[in-house]
Amino acid sequence: GQNIDQPTEMTATEGAIVQINCTYQTSGFNGLFWYQQHAGEAPTFLSYNVLDGLEEKGRFSSFLSRSKGYSYLLLKELQMKDSASYLCAANNAGNMLTFGGGTRLMVKP
Amino acid sequence: DAGVIQSPRHEVTEMGQEVTLRCKPISGHNSLFWYRQTMMRGLELLIYFNNNVPIDDSGMPEDRFSAKMPNASFSTLKIQPSEPRDSAVYFCASSFTRNTGELFFGEGSRLTVL
Repeated sequence: GQNIDQPTEMTATEGAIVQINCTYQTSGFNGLFWYQQHAGEAPTFLSYNVLDGLEEKGRFSSFLSRSKGYSYLLLKELQMKDSASYLCAANNAGNMLTFGGGTRLMVKP
Repeated sequence: DAGVIQSPRHEVTEMGQEVTLRCKPISGHNSLFWYRQTMMRGLELLIYFNNNVPIDDSGMPEDRFSAKMPNASFSTLKIQPSEPRDSAVYFCASSFTRNTGELFFGEGSRLTVL
């Protein structure tokens, strides 16, 4: 079966750094995605990891450890517009994405 | 290129009525997914098509739900009869399976069943 766990909510301050963790258990694994979803909008792609290690893309970085079934999304220099839900999703061998419940991040001034 | 196009964006209907949601995937994508999103359950995969063929419909809640993909550029999700617990945002997404499998989502159809 598939199981994706991530915290429900997090709060951080503008300009700070925040790390959103995700643990997964899937039957077959073909990569880990992070999506951002603003309220009332569709999820949009942030990052993809298939090999262990850190992928950096501007203010956002994503890390994967396949042996531990663990990933995190790191957001630096937080801005108010980063307030959104962040969805972790595991791609199984059948190329289907299973999503976690999402982490709602609130950035405060 | 246009993204995934869904219609209607919003639908309010009464219990027992038939609801049809429509989706046009991104041209050239060969996989199409229907997801349902609620506060309680998050994003749930309902059904997955590859090359217009349903591959996995284990997420379809019950027989009231059906989905079709008659060609590569069109899919429908039908609920008949609708119930208040079907109220949710329904997302259609497409991808090209020879790539990473990244999903491109439509704007969603917000369904309210009274």
